[in-house]
Amino acid sequence: KAGVTQTPRYLIKTRGQQVTLSCSPISGHRSVSWYQQTPGQGLQFLFEYFSETQRNKGNFPGRFSGRQFSNSRSEMNVSTLELGDSALYLCASSVYRDTGYGYTFGSGTRLTVV
Amino acid sequence: AQSVTQPDIHITVSEGASLELRCNYSYGATPYLFWYVQSPGQGLQLLLKYFSGDTLVQGIKGFEAEFKRSQSSFNLRKPSVHWSDAAEYFCAVGSMANQAGTALIFGKGTTLSVSS
Repeated sequence: KAGVTQTPRYLIKTRGQQVTLSCSPISGHRSVSWYQQTPGQGLQFLFEYFSETQRNKGNFPGRFSGRQFSNSRSEMNVSTLELGDSALYLCASSVYRDTGYGYTFGSGTRLTVV
Repeated sequence: AQSVTQPDIHITVSEGASLELRCNYSYGATPYLFWYVQSPGQGLQLLLKYFSGDTLVQGIKGFEAEFKRSQSSFNLRKPSVHWSDAAEYFCAVGSMANQAGTALIFGKGTTLSVSS
């Protein structure tokens, strides 16, 4: 079955602009989480959506937002980009089973802010 | 505070030698533990996870990990390393309280180099 699809793979934006990243989860997975990965801070949780509702949010400024659609696809938006927003943004879809819940990550979107 | 510590930033192992990557966690609730591997420019691939039951967990690519509650550890092992195992490895912890969508807390990662 298809994995988690993130688009685009690479983005270059200018400071002050905004950007939207997309994530299509595995079919049947209703939970989508977003993570930011930087060399300095490592992997940090941004937020999680389940059935179009944000259930959990990390410690990021309000410039970072997201949403989930009825088909479980999710988007995250970063407004007023700063140089420090340059990172690999990873999306993970998950589902709960008897063996616990499994997180499958996409290949990520590499955002460079110049 | 909830945290995951991977004490070794970088490890070099000879091909064919055994490997152990260390992971210690601090977590208030019953932990749900993961090991992921990441190749350069790629996403995270799940190697194995501990949810409940047997504390020795088998994963893909010949990896295994042992959950030791008394030591708050979840070390990753492999008996014989292959050159293709060179990558960055991340330990993560999540809560078992939520059925899905918990925020995973990741360690800083250990970079594995394999020498011939």
